[in-house]
Amino acid sequence: SAVISQKPSRDICQRGTSLTIQCQVDSQVTMMFWYRQQPGQSLTLIATANQGSEATYESGFVIDKFPISRPNLTFSTLTVSNMSPEDSSIYLCSVGTSGADTQYFGPGTRLTVL
Amino acid sequence: AQSVSQHNHHVILSEAASLELGCNYSYGGTVNLFWYVQYPGQHLQLLLKYFSGDPLVKGIKGFEAEFIKSKFSFNLRKPSVQWSDTAEYFCAVNNAGNMLTFGGGTRLMVKP
Repeated sequence: SAVISQKPSRDICQRGTSLTIQCQVDSQVTMMFWYRQQPGQSLTLIATANQGSEATYESGFVIDKFPISRPNLTFSTLTVSNMSPEDSSIYLCSVGTSGADTQYFGPGTRLTVL
Repeated sequence: AQSVSQHNHHVILSEAASLELGCNYSYGGTVNLFWYVQYPGQHLQLLLKYFSGDPLVKGIKGFEAEFIKSKFSFNLRKPSVQWSDTAEYFCAVNNAGNMLTFGGGTRLMVKP
C-alpha cells in the first residue's frame, strides 16, 4: 500500500481564518479523496480530488468553503476557508488506484477552531 | 444512495471473549465491503476487505468477516479478543463508483 503523509498533523486556528492541508503520497495514484471526521462521529466524504480538473464535491460541501487542488498524481491540498468552531474535525486524505479499489488513509490533520 | 449501519456503538468485552460486530448496508447492486480499524492515537488502517469469491474473508490480527448477500450484512468476528484490540471499528461500502460510505463506527474496549 502507498505511504501517505499529511501536513500539518494538527493546528489550532482562529475563527475566520483559512488553513490549507497537504496530502503527499509516495507513489502515483489514480484516486485521491478528502474526508472529515467530526468529534465522536464517523467519516464523511467531502470530495474527490481530480487531477487536472475541478474536484467533485459531495452533497453538503461546496468549493468556496473547501477548495481543493490536485496538481499531479501524488499531491493534493484541501483548504478549510473562513473557519468556524463547527469546522473543528479531523481531516483525512485517502488514495486508491481505481474507483472501486481499496482506499488507504493518511494520518489525518486534527483541526481545532477557536 | 447507499448507507451503512453498525448496530453496536460501544462494546465492552473481557480478554478471551468472542467478538462479533454487526454491519448492514443498503444498496441493491454489486458492492465492495471493508472493515477499517482505528487504534487509539493512530490512523485508520484496513483490517480486511471483500470484493468477490469466498464470502468468508480473513484479515489481519485474527479477524474475519462473513458477507451474507441475502442479509446485506458483513459482520466482523474474532474468536478471542485481546486487550490490544481496543479500538474503533468502521464498516465501509463502495460500489462501482468512487464513493466509500462508512458506518457510524463501533468503539470496542477490551478489559484485561
